[in-house]
Amino acid sequence: GEDVEQSLFLSVREGDSSVINCTYTDSSSTYLYWYKQEPGAGLQLLTYIFSNMDMKQDQRLTVLLNKKDKHLSLRIADTQTGDSAIYFCAEMNTGFQKLVFGTGTRLLVSP
Amino acid sequence: DTAVSQTPKYLVTQMGNDKSIKCEQNLGHDTMYWYKQDSKKFLKIMFSYNNKELIINETVPNRFSPKSPDKAHLNLHINSLELGDSAVYFCASSLLGNQPQHFGDGTRLSIL
Repeated sequence: GEDVEQSLFLSVREGDSSVINCTYTDSSSTYLYWYKQEPGAGLQLLTYIFSNMDMKQDQRLTVLLNKKDKHLSLRIADTQTGDSAIYFCAEMNTGFQKLVFGTGTRLLVSP
Repeated sequence: DTAVSQTPKYLVTQMGNDKSIKCEQNLGHDTMYWYKQDSKKFLKIMFSYNNKELIINETVPNRFSPKSPDKAHLNLHINSLELGDSAVYFCASSLLGNQPQHFGDGTRLSIL
């Protein structure tokens, strides 16, 4: 079955690094995604990683994938107050061509 | 020039009414989706269409009927609205079914 879990809440200080974790169960996932949702807004695609990669870096964002443990993380370097939002990981169920979302992690960045 | 646009942004209506939400994408994508986000922010797929053909129908009540007049549009019609239908509905599109999905800003539906 499909199940994607995230911790619900993370609080950091401005300038620190944030690490948001995600675990999934579907071993056939081919793509894993990170989306950002600001209050009252839609979902913004931040980055994604193919399942045959173990790391991807994009400016302040680093995605790590441990396929054996089915663990995905998103590291945000030099976190800013504008990074405060809900972050969703999602796995692509290739067989059914649908995204299965995690529960979302609310990141609060304090000055 | 918004990539995925939904209308209306807010919809407040009474139980029992019928309403529609429209979605259009100008990205030239073949696949479009509807997702529902509940009050706890949980997101779940409802439908997907590929080039006007229904691909996924995720055990959604048949009061919900998607319609795709062409591959750039996927509208959602809801009959006999119930209190539990209150949620934010997101439209999304992707080039192909296994490609990154781009989301609209959502339609917040409130049932009185």
